[in-house]
Amino acid sequence: QLQLQESGPGLVKPPETLSLTCTVSGGSITSTTQFWGWIRQPPGKGLEWIGSIYYSGRIYHNPSLKSRVTISVDTSKNQLFLNLTSVTAADTAVYFCASHDHDYGGNFGFWGQGTLVTVSS
Amino acid sequence: EIVLTQSPATLSLSPGERATLSCRASQSVSSFLAWYQQKPGQAPRLLIYDAFKRAAGIPPRFSGSGSGTDFTLTISSLEPEDFAVYHCQQRGNLYTFGQGTKVEI
Repeated sequence: QLQLQESGPGLVKPPETLSLTCTVSGGSITSTTQFWGWIRQPPGKGLEWIGSIYYSGRIYHNPSLKSRVTISVDTSKNQLFLNLTSVTAADTAVYFCASHDHDYGGNFGFWGQGTLVTVSS
Repeated sequence: EIVLTQSPATLSLSPGERATLSCRASQSVSSFLAWYQQKPGQAPRLLIYDAFKRAAGIPPRFSGSGSGTDFTLTISSLEPEDFAVYHCQQRGNLYTFGQGTKVEI
């Protein structure tokens, strides 16, 4: 069973960079049956897709965040990374990593438990 | 950007009743519409993808329908564990989520 686990600082000061790691277990991050994404959820609000990285290396971003987002992988460590620059209080959210699964039409089949990141000075 | 609008925002029902949730897209997403269930403090769980296909382990009381811009998630008879927030999500053009519908007792 595929498992994902987010990690990173719970508090980031504006306008620093938010950096998160997602460790994948139970499967390979180089699999051709999955690709990988980041989603966030501000407290009490809905879900927002941040971006995704395909096994080809191609990356897609939410246009509203594109200029501030970097997504990458380390295949040797089976890890996925998110960097979000110039954060503000509006970036306070629970951040999830998730797999896009071909068995589910490329939708988000497996999720990490999420990690709360608070942006505050 | 494709905007998804869910209605109602809150649905107040009793166990055993039928729940009908709506998701409308600002432009056609064909059948590329998914539904997720989220309980407090948990990650979302995929229920339905490609409008009507159930994910593994999802009970048959959950069904999806629709195409183009109008979609429906139906829970035929609510169980106590079904009271949660439901999100729709499209993959017709990148990915966007609706704002969620809370199904409460």
